[in-house]
Amino acid sequence: EIVLTQSPATLSLSPGERATLSCKASQSVRSYLAWYQQKPGQAPRLLIYDASKRATGIPARFSGSGSGTDFTLTISSLEPEDFAVYYCQQRTNWLKTFGQGTRLEIK
Amino acid sequence: EVHLVESGGGLVQPGGSLRLSCAASGFTFSDYEMNWVRQAPGKGLEWVSYISSSGSTIYYADSVKGRFTISRDNAKNSLYLQMNRLRAVDTAVYYCAREVNTAVAGLDYWGQGNLVTVSS
Repeated sequence: EIVLTQSPATLSLSPGERATLSCKASQSVRSYLAWYQQKPGQAPRLLIYDASKRATGIPARFSGSGSGTDFTLTISSLEPEDFAVYYCQQRTNWLKTFGQGTRLEIK
Repeated sequence: EVHLVESGGGLVQPGGSLRLSCAASGFTFSDYEMNWVRQAPGKGLEWVSYISSSGSTIYYADSVKGRFTISRDNAKNSLYLQMNRLRAVDTAVYYCAREVNTAVAGLDYWGQGNLVTVSS
């Protein structure tokens, strides 16, 4: 099973700052990696698929990069509504695993 | 507009069974692969199971293999998860989620979630 390790566990930033979230895979997942945002009491929302492609309706301040084992989600300038939990997810041969999540909180 | 609506959750005793349903609308259900994902209270997301668009290919997480069965009825635009021999650790909100497409990694639409509680 491929393990995804997200860091940091918690990130404390202020609105307007840049956020950089990391996701490392225990073995190569090529570009089969997605990022999700989840707010309390809500279902996850797809932000990025295939490592770097923004999902429909996702603002341009969200960007994804990486391939193989190292991936990054960047939020260029934080808006108040961006404070949430973020998960990465990989897919290899239709088997999937999620990272443990990064909580982005207001400083 | 795409909608996924789960139903069938509730309280069940350890060792019991429950069947979850997910009603899909707003898209051609038979064209899409589907998944079940769960989230224990206060915890992260855990992928549970995958089914191809035709139903011919199925995968499970090791934690549920042999106890859970995923299925679909394309004529009824519905996805199912039959859960047997339930354990306390299966307590979670269960989501159905649509795969973007075969070639990419990502689940683009999710249901609102359905709580399953396994307790005596």
